[in-house]
Amino acid sequence: GEDVEQSLFLSVREGDSSVINCTYTDSSSTYLYWYKQEPGAGLQLLTYIFSNMDMKQDQRLTVLLNKKDKHLSLRIADTQTGDSAIYFCAETYGGATNKLIFGTGTLLAVQP
Amino acid sequence: DVKVTQSSRYLVKRTGEKVFLECVQDMDHENMFWYRQDPGLGLRLIYFSYDVKMKEKGDIPEGYSVSREKKERFSLILESASTNQTSMYLCASSPRQSLDTQYFGPGTRLTVL
Repeated sequence: GEDVEQSLFLSVREGDSSVINCTYTDSSSTYLYWYKQEPGAGLQLLTYIFSNMDMKQDQRLTVLLNKKDKHLSLRIADTQTGDSAIYFCAETYGGATNKLIFGTGTLLAVQP
Repeated sequence: DVKVTQSSRYLVKRTGEKVFLECVQDMDHENMFWYRQDPGLGLRLIYFSYDVKMKEKGDIPEGYSVSREKKERFSLILESASTNQTSMYLCASSPRQSLDTQYFGPGTRLTVL
């Protein structure tokens, strides 16, 4: 079956860069997404990348996609304490845009 | 702004009880989803619906059923709650064709004693 994997935990110091990694299995995925879940809240879409792109930058966020290795990463520059959250990557399932497979989530802890 | 609301933030039920979790969205979205979230397992899809009265099983439908009588409302039903259904339940919705993908509610933390 399809599987999306992430490391469970990442700790960084405030002001450093954070890199959260994700590997996926469905090579037909049209889009890949990063969601953020703050404590006690639902998931919020952070950014997405179309499968024919290698990189997307959005302010402090940079998404890198390596299709050959099926590897997706999210880099957060100048990480702040407000970035502390669980980050989920997700891929479209079977190429469809409205059904997603989520990764296990990475808990990002930002130390002051 | 899209708003997805869930009827309860916290719920405590006893084993064997019938449990209803309600989800309402106000953006006329065709698609609605129910997930459960467990530590180390991420989000797993229970059921989804592409239209009124239409439902399809997700990855872990056992022990659950759903109802979509109106477009804006998608209910998750636990016919006979068990302790292994203690979890965070998240509802989401999306338009039929969506670049922005799914919008999530705040979640319901269900504890089954």
